[in-house]
Amino acid sequence: EADIYQTPRYLVIGTGKKITLECSQTMGHDKMYWYQQDPGMELHLIHYSYGVNSTEKGDLSSESTVSRIRTEHFPLTLESARPSHTSQYLCASTPGFTGELFFGEGSRLTVL
Amino acid sequence: KNQVEQSPQSLIILEGKNCTLQCNYTVSPFSNLRWYKQDTGRGPVSLTIMTFSENTKSNGRYTATLDADTKQSSLHITASQLSDSASYICVVTLTNSNSGYALNFGKGTSLLVTP
Repeated sequence: EADIYQTPRYLVIGTGKKITLECSQTMGHDKMYWYQQDPGMELHLIHYSYGVNSTEKGDLSSESTVSRIRTEHFPLTLESARPSHTSQYLCASTPGFTGELFFGEGSRLTVL
Repeated sequence: KNQVEQSPQSLIILEGKNCTLQCNYTVSPFSNLRWYKQDTGRGPVSLTIMTFSENTKSNGRYTATLDADTKQSSLHITASQLSDSASYICVVTLTNSNSGYALNFGKGTSLLVTP
């Protein structure tokens, strides 16, 4: 099993709330990603990181921020949640951009 | 437009039967192609990887094929089991890319194996 963990697994919050989704991996991987996954759709890249102190925006990055202060930790923050943010959020890591992705179990967010 | 197209979108088969899932891609230049299995409520897990020069790769009852000329891949599942019920995602990697955009995902095929 992959050593990558996401919390919370499930979250229901009200509109306007600030939330942080946590992601940690113990494999020492430099490259980490956040994806958004909706039913029947491909994974969409939100943010990614080359390593410590490196963060890059993906296609869906405009309403969220990430940080990479430590190799193992890559949290995702929504400053003001909206119903359109209701989705499954997947964190992943890899030793290289063309290597195997190791995914966390996902965080399912519902915004009312 | 998505550069990775999977078919069928969904599939229902009886336990013990075989099935084949398709992945067509336009990603170029191509580095490798992976098939992932995603159980409901879980993260995807890699099943197989194939590079440009490989035609077939097996992992137990899962066999992936690749035709780099026609840019097509298939995942064949033999003697299906109830635990094979999942979404199967095709991921094609762009070569020579040092970016998070190197990975191109299909929408997945949802497989249901019934008793």
